[in-house]
Amino acid sequence: DSGVTQTPKHLITATGQRVTLRCSPRSGDLSVYWYQQSLDQGLQFLIQYYNGEERAKGNILERFSAQQFPDLHSELNLSSLELGDSALYFCASSVALGGYTFGSGTRLTVV
Amino acid sequence: GQQLNQSPQSMFIQEGEDVSMNCTSSSIFNTWLWYKQDPGEGPVLLIALYKAGELTSNGRLTAQFGITRKDSFLNISASIPSDVGIYFCAGHSGGSNYKLTFGKGTLLTVNP
Repeated sequence: DSGVTQTPKHLITATGQRVTLRCSPRSGDLSVYWYQQSLDQGLQFLIQYYNGEERAKGNILERFSAQQFPDLHSELNLSSLELGDSALYFCASSVALGGYTFGSGTRLTVV
Repeated sequence: GQQLNQSPQSMFIQEGEDVSMNCTSSSIFNTWLWYKQDPGEGPVLLIALYKAGELTSNGRLTAQFGITRKDSFLNISASIPSDVGIYFCAGHSGGSNYKLTFGKGTLLTVNP
């Protein structure tokens, strides 16, 4: 157990739908990062939050959004889902660069 | 954007053999990290390198931060079946956001 908790582990939904992925960071970590992993693109950085505020943005689509709540958990919202959004979505947390810890991921399948 | 070129894409070796994989970049990174991902799990940090030229070991794993700051390699000695997985390099180019750029991974298969 890495200490980073992601739910749900698996999600199957239809095109056009909206889903929410949840991440609880490791105790004491203020930063949360979201990554998308697909077979052809590898691990792609989506967005980072630090203590509730957006800190960095990567290749995140406009249909996707995220937030970090006062208790530091984070949610990634994916809307108007397309087949190509099927991927593994990872959350990671850190206090410093060497302490970057990943959760076990959410496998999203869009049918 | 920044890209890391990781090679080889895959390796199939016999148990007991040594393995070497590397990452190169067209831009400078201030930190290099190596991760391993097992099926159904998230990547797990193996080694972190913070200084150009640094050579660091973690058991049978050794990694080096290239002196040009544009490359890094990971060696695994005397491979065992549990070394199977995907190995990723990752780089951080600086700044306080700690955003990492990942290579596309090396799939390692170890034949007992």
